[in-house]
Amino acid sequence: IQLTQSPSSLSASVGDRVTITCRASQAISSYLAWYQQKPGKAPKLLIYDASTLQSGVPSRFSGSGSGTHFTLTISSLQPEDFAIYYCQQLNTYPFTFGPGTKVDIK
Amino acid sequence: QVQLVQSGAEVKKPGSSVNISCKASGGTFGSDGVTWVRQAPGQGLEWMGRIIPILGIPRYEQKFQGRVTIIADKSTTTAYMELSSLTSEDTAVYYCARESIERVAFDIWGQGTMVTVSS
Repeated sequence: IQLTQSPSSLSASVGDRVTITCRASQAISSYLAWYQQKPGKAPKLLIYDASTLQSGVPSRFSGSGSGTHFTLTISSLQPEDFAIYYCQQLNTYPFTFGPGTKVDIK
Repeated sequence: QVQLVQSGAEVKKPGSSVNISCKASGGTFGSDGVTWVRQAPGQGLEWMGRIIPILGIPRYEQKFQGRVTIIADKSTTTAYMELSSLTSEDTAVYYCARESIERVAFDIWGQGTMVTVSS
């Protein structure tokens, strides 16, 4: 299953609302996770089951979607949110990742 | 809280093998899986395979079939990933992660192990 993300990168300001889209090449129900990765660090789980917030993750992060179309939204971008975001499908082996969306400072 | 602690950086010659360990400290694997993901410099994340330690049954990405071996030792709560026939294209950071049965996601990650393949 192939995953595409859009945009591949974006520039935004602190306080902006940011939306990242992930599309699957075939239906994956809600078996989608979102990760955040900062330079030199391991990925961090943000959202699983398409819309469930991982414990300890700020509520400004939210996820939605099912089937083939998913979104990650950051309601009010904070300085610590500048990072690369990856979606991942866990419906079918191999558990593929999207190519990533880089969020940087405008 | 379980943490995953990986072995240190490695420098390998082309054609050789690398073996990376991933120890669960502060707990056990339980019924969860241990998965391996790699990231080449400046690139995205690539799933390599996984094992469910309580069952001992691995599953591999087809791309690595025949070159990768993943095992787990429940007594020491340590998982291992061996990759053989290394080439420069295997230069990457290798991560282990817990594949949570409850969350159906990779919820805990090791710190990563840099493997450099160079002659």
